[in-house]
Amino acid sequence: EAQVTQNPRYLITVTGKKLTVTCSQNMNHEYMSWYRQDPGLGLRQIYYSMNVEVTDKGDVPEGYKVSRKEKRNFPLILESPSPNQTSLYFCASSPTRENYGYTFGSGTRLTVV
Amino acid sequence: AQTVTQSQPEMSVQEAETVTLSCTYDTSESDYYLFWYKQPPSRQMILVIRQEAYKQQNATENRFSVNFQKAAKSFSLKISDSQLGDAAMYFCAYRSANMEESGNTPLVFGKGTRLSVIA
Repeated sequence: EAQVTQNPRYLITVTGKKLTVTCSQNMNHEYMSWYRQDPGLGLRQIYYSMNVEVTDKGDVPEGYKVSRKEKRNFPLILESPSPNQTSLYFCASSPTRENYGYTFGSGTRLTVV
Repeated sequence: AQTVTQSQPEMSVQEAETVTLSCTYDTSESDYYLFWYKQPPSRQMILVIRQEAYKQQNATENRFSVNFQKAAKSFSLKISDSQLGDAAMYFCAYRSANMEESGNTPLVFGKGTRLSVIA
């Protein structure tokens, strides 16, 4: 089954404790992206990747890092999480030049206390 | 930069009735794609319907159809014969057909409309 797999689905952590949210897709998509969803704000892009070793900032990159060492994986790293990063996070992928929108992961609900 | 506006934060519909969700967008481009995504309580983002801007014909997927008015930059979603399972947050989204210099082709989302279905 074609899918984007995100883990974990839920995560509660403390301020300053580094964490990684994993994302993997099995569709050989070149393009991958991370979004955060906050009430009243919709979804906003954090980082994206055009292909292996090609990543760049989206609209709200502060406090996040990503890497793309393999085509299928695109982890989101929070080196020192803060409470304002409490949010719902989505990983998504798509072929680069197609019009099919994105395929989304199932989301990660992160709470930073 | 493109923006997407959903002016109805919440809507409700009686089961089996028809409801229309509004979406407008702002762009200077002529080639782009528009999408409606559904987010049920499970949080999964589910693609409902998509529309290519160069196509005049409105897209239809079973009970879901759009009214695409390119000149007015309007892209409304009509749900016919509403069912309890249609209750969800609905997001309108825009994606340019032209890559940014960076190669990025982000989905730009509206803030969503929460749809309730009344039995």
